Amino acid sequence: GAGVSQSPRYKVAKRGQDVALRCDPISGHVSLFWYQQALGQGPEFLTYFQNEAQLDKSGLPSDRFFAERPEGSVSTLKIQRTQQEDSAVYLCASSSTGFDTGELFFGEGSRLTVL
Amino acid sequence: DAKTTQPNSMESNEEEPVHLPCNHSTISGTDYIHWYRQLPSQGPEYVIHGLTSNVNNRMASLAIAEDRKSSTLILHRATLRDAAVYYCILSDWNRDDKIIFGKGTRLHILP
Repeated sequence: GAGVSQSPRYKVAKRGQDVALRCDPISGHVSLFWYQQALGQGPEFLTYFQNEAQLDKSGLPSDRFFAERPEGSVSTLKIQRTQQEDSAVYLCASSSTGFDTGELFFGEGSRLTVL
Repeated sequence: DAKTTQPNSMESNEEEPVHLPCNHSTISGTDYIHWYRQLPSQGPEYVIHGLTSNVNNRMASLAIAEDRKSSTLILHRATLRDAAVYYCILSDWNRDDKIIFGKGTRLHILP
C-alpha cells in the first residue's frame, strides 16, 4: 500500500483479555517502530525492529507486552491480560533507514480502550 | 539525553507566517534536529530535519542558530490545516538514537 496500515483502528477489550494489534509497514522499509500515546501526551517509544530482528525493546512497559516481526515485514504488538492503564493509541512507524537518518512514516494508530 | 524545550501552545492568523521556536542548549555535535507534527486523530507526520545548515522543503523551513542551541520551524503561510501539535526532537546519529517525542507545541490557527 501507499502508507503504513494499522488494524484494528479501534479495539475495546475487557480487563484481562489479550489483544493483538497489526502493522503493515511501507513495502521495502527495513525499520519498524511501535509507540504508545496516552491521551494528551506525546508518543512514547516501545520497541524497534530492523528487518526481523528486534534491536530495542527498552520501552515495553511490562512483560505483558510482546512484539514480533517474523518475516521482516508485518509486525504484531500483543498485550496480554490487558489493564486499564494500557488504554492508549498504539502507533506504528516504518523507515527505509535506521533510527534517525531519515523520515519515519506513521500509521493512523490503533486506539485501545480497556474497560 | 539531549532535551528540547518548546512553548506549550501558540496562535497564529491564517495566511501569515508562523515561527515555532525550540531550545536545545545541551545539543551535541552529532545530534540531528527533527520536526514532526501531529494533526488531530492522526499519527505524527515528518516535517523536516537538519544538522547544522538551514533546510528548506515543500512544507517548511528550518532555521538553526549558529551555536545550534536553538532552532525555529518556519511555516511560510499558515492554513487551517496546519493546526497541529509540533514536536522538536533531537537524535544522535552516532549513537543510533531513537526518535523520542516530548509534549510539543500546540499550534492554533485563527481564521
